[in-house]
Amino acid sequence: AQSVAQPEDQVNVAEGNPLTVKCTYSVSGNPYLFWYVQYPNRGLQFLLKYITGDNLVKGSYGFEAEFNKSQTSFHLKKPSALVSDSALYFCAVRDDSNRGSTLGRLYFGRGTQLTVWP
Amino acid sequence: GAVVSQHPSRVICKSGTSVKIECRSLDFQATTMFWYRQFPKKSLMLMATSNEGSKATYEQGVEKDKFLINHASLTLSTLTVTSAHPEDSSFYICSAREGSGRAREQYFGPGTRLTVT
Repeated sequence: AQSVAQPEDQVNVAEGNPLTVKCTYSVSGNPYLFWYVQYPNRGLQFLLKYITGDNLVKGSYGFEAEFNKSQTSFHLKKPSALVSDSALYFCAVRDDSNRGSTLGRLYFGRGTQLTVWP
Repeated sequence: GAVVSQHPSRVICKSGTSVKIECRSLDFQATTMFWYRQFPKKSLMLMATSNEGSKATYEQGVEKDKFLINHASLTLSTLTVTSAHPEDSSFYICSAREGSGRAREQYFGPGTRLTVT
């Protein structure tokens, strides 16, 4: 079974400081991992994904994530946080193992609220 | 990038009535669309997966007669909440996926805020 864990409900950082939002996963096959961001009353915006290749993935708005197979982690990072980065962040894993009608469904973590204070 | 729209963005309806939410892929053909429900400050709960031209696959615990999903074309899926009740009030988000290749991610709509009075 596929699952994602985001151990922190809330992350608070000062503007200009580095930020990390944690994510660990459990998959039965190859992991296809995603990060999304959600602003209030909005849908999800894609930030980045890991399918294969380099373990360090660079995405939108200066975010990056490091795939660590041994630790089954895919933490989201940014070297210098901005107040405008404050939002709800979701880690997700895609299930491509089921060849049935739900092929490609995403399993989401519970989300981490990031607050960047000035 | 790929764009998914939802209509309406907000809807208020009276208890007992039905409301339809549309999800459209504007610049690609979506072979698969997903419908999610999100409670305040909570994660997304997948309600159902719909493939164009076939019946939707509902997640366990989701009433298919209450949440009617139609995916009649490659660019449009609709979710109809029938006989709505206040507990159906929520934020509903759709996503669309083009094709079935491994590099294909989902594109999300902006969401629809449903309030049942």
